[in-house]
Amino acid sequence: DAKTTQPPSMDCAEGRAANLPCNHSTISGNEYVYWYRQIHSQGPQYIIHGLKNNETNEMASLIITEDRKSSTLILPHATLRDTAVYYCIVRGLTGGFKTIFGAGTRLFVKA
Amino acid sequence: DAGVTQSPTHLIKTRGQHVTLRCSPISGHKSVSWYQQVLGQGPQFIFQYYEKEERGRGNFPDRFSARQFPNYSSELNVNALLLGDSALYLCASSLVGQVRTEAFFGQGTRLTVV
Repeated sequence: DAKTTQPPSMDCAEGRAANLPCNHSTISGNEYVYWYRQIHSQGPQYIIHGLKNNETNEMASLIITEDRKSSTLILPHATLRDTAVYYCIVRGLTGGFKTIFGAGTRLFVKA
Repeated sequence: DAGVTQSPTHLIKTRGQHVTLRCSPISGHKSVSWYQQVLGQGPQFIFQYYEKEERGRGNFPDRFSARQFPNYSSELNVNALLLGDSALYLCASSLVGQVRTEAFFGQGTRLTVV
């Protein structure tokens, strides 16, 4: 599975959009980009995933660059409850379906 | 529908002891994965089981073992506990062992080794 690089922390004002970047320059053609988040001491929560097209659901939007080497998770109107660690993950079909988590980005949403 | 359930939620063990952690996947999910999360780090993959067979193993010593039962629930066993095994142990289930399907995580078992 390809590795990902994320900034260790970010701040965002409540009500504003939070844009979390992820670099996955070694991604291969059959690998998907997944985003999870983990609120303190809880299990990770699935947010969204995509292959090459932009995706949107009730929680967030995922923008994947045309070369697929990076992506951005967008929380359109961040709330205090969005304060969490956000993990960008690349998953492929090889390697026994294991999911490799990096250190993630700690997002602080401030009032 | 109930989510992924793990038991116990908290556990304290002594060095050298053995521990068994349990996980019940979401109904209909046949794939279960185990992760170890040390404080301040992301979850580290330990095992994945699908249809009762081991499908992947992370870089963990043989003291760690797991199995999946016919009802798709799973156990993670750790022998000869070390202080460094203190962590949050997470179980995740997914519909099938395919990349397109997201995994749903339980709340974890907090293991403290003293």
